[in-house]
Amino acid sequence: GAVVSQHPSWVICKSGTSVKIECRSLDFQATTMFWYRQFPKQSLMLMATSNEGSKATYEQGVEKDKFLINHASLTLSTLTVTSAHPEDSSFYICSARDLTDYNSPLHFGNGTRLTVT
Amino acid sequence: EDKVVQSPLSLVVHEGDTVTLNCSYEVTNFRSLLWYKQEKKAPTFLFMLTSSGIEKKSGRLSSILDKKELFSILNITATQTGDSAVYLCAVDSNSGYALNFGKGTSLLVTP
Repeated sequence: GAVVSQHPSWVICKSGTSVKIECRSLDFQATTMFWYRQFPKQSLMLMATSNEGSKATYEQGVEKDKFLINHASLTLSTLTVTSAHPEDSSFYICSARDLTDYNSPLHFGNGTRLTVT
Repeated sequence: EDKVVQSPLSLVVHEGDTVTLNCSYEVTNFRSLLWYKQEKKAPTFLFMLTSSGIEKKSGRLSSILDKKELFSILNITATQTGDSAVYLCAVDSNSGYALNFGKGTSLLVTP
C-alpha cells in the first residue's frame, strides 16, 4: 500500500532557530499533502494543505510566515518551523493520499516530535 | 461547521472484554468515515466506511456506519493489552481531501 515517509522522527532545537521537516510519498504521487499538529492528549489538528507547484492553504490561526510549506515535487513536501519557540513543541504529522485511487485512505508519515528548548 | 464527536473519551477494560467506541458526525458533502489506531507514533489506518449497514471486519475489530443517524461504531472483541491505544475517527467531506478528526477515545486494556 501507499507509504509516506517523514524525517526526522524527532528533533530538539534551541529557541529562535528553524527546523525543517520532510514528507515524502514513496510509491505514489501526491499533488496534495496535509500537515497536522498534535499536542499531548489532543487530536490531530490540520495546519495546512500543501499543493504541488502552488502556495499552501493554511487553516485559521496558523501563521503562514512561521510555518513555511514548500511542495516542489509530486513526492516531497517540507514544513519549516521558523524562529521556533517552546510553544511550538509538538508532534507534527504529514499525510497524503493516492489521488489516482478514489477510495484510498489518507496515509500518515510516522510524525516528527519537535522539542524547542 | 463540520463536527466529529467521539465517545467515550477514555475507557479502561480488562483483557477479554468487548468494547464499543462511538463516533457521530455532522459534515456537509460526506464522502467517507475512517477509523485509525494511534499508539506512540502516527495513526495507522483501520477501516474506511462509505456505505450504511455494511460491516467491515478485520480480526477482532469490526466497524459499521449509519448514514441516516450519522454515526459509526468500532467494536473490539476479546480485547488484548496490545489494543491499548487512542482510536481516532475521521470524516472525509470532499473539501480538499483533508480529514476532520474527532478527539479520539483512549483505550487502556489491563491484564
